[in-house]
Amino acid sequence: QKEVEQDPGPLSVPEGAIVSLNCTYSNSAFQYFMWYRQYSRKGPELLMYTYSSGNKEDGRFTAQVDKSSKYISLFIRDSQPSDSATYLCAMSASGNTDKLIFGTGTRLQVFP
Amino acid sequence: DARVTQTPRDKVTEMGQEVTMRCQPILGHNTVFWYRQTMMQGLELLAYFRNRAPLDDSGMPKDRFSAEMPDATLATLKIQPSEPRDSAVYFCASGQGVYTQYFGPGTRLTVL
Repeated sequence: QKEVEQDPGPLSVPEGAIVSLNCTYSNSAFQYFMWYRQYSRKGPELLMYTYSSGNKEDGRFTAQVDKSSKYISLFIRDSQPSDSATYLCAMSASGNTDKLIFGTGTRLQVFP
Repeated sequence: DARVTQTPRDKVTEMGQEVTMRCQPILGHNTVFWYRQTMMQGLELLAYFRNRAPLDDSGMPKDRFSAEMPDATLATLKIQPSEPRDSAVYFCASGQGVYTQYFGPGTRLTVL
């Protein structure tokens, strides 16, 4: 079993829908949680990050962390075709190490 | 707009040949990472350096892979001899901490 599990999708939604992307993890030491977005034939780019539990909002994006359930989510409101990409979650146990453990990514398609 | 650059972008080679991939990290970043991405395994960390010193290469097949940073502006990943199972996209990333990993565009390697 992998340390970080992520549904590969694909997830197909109409423009304007609310999208929920999720990851589960097994290592209770994880404290830093990130979401990356990867467009086709591009490198991943950091979208959002959170430390420990709680919510963080940035425009149309909201990241949630539930450490008790070992579950993190990324919500996208008013989804746009430009949001079509693969979304990867990533986690780290400590700020003293740069090592990230990535999920395999969820492919999202937003159709007009 | 500072970016991580990688060469070549695409590489097709035959089994048994040597492959060298190069990365120029963002100026001032002290940490450099090499990742491999496949559909099945997702993003896997192969090795990383801090201030040019190798910190962790546990994700790398030691018998055929090697990673070096001859200077602060160049990181290399070499595969010798290459095998079909090495076919993947190889990403270099640079950063200054767990939140700040900036990825290059990747090298798409195909070993026939």
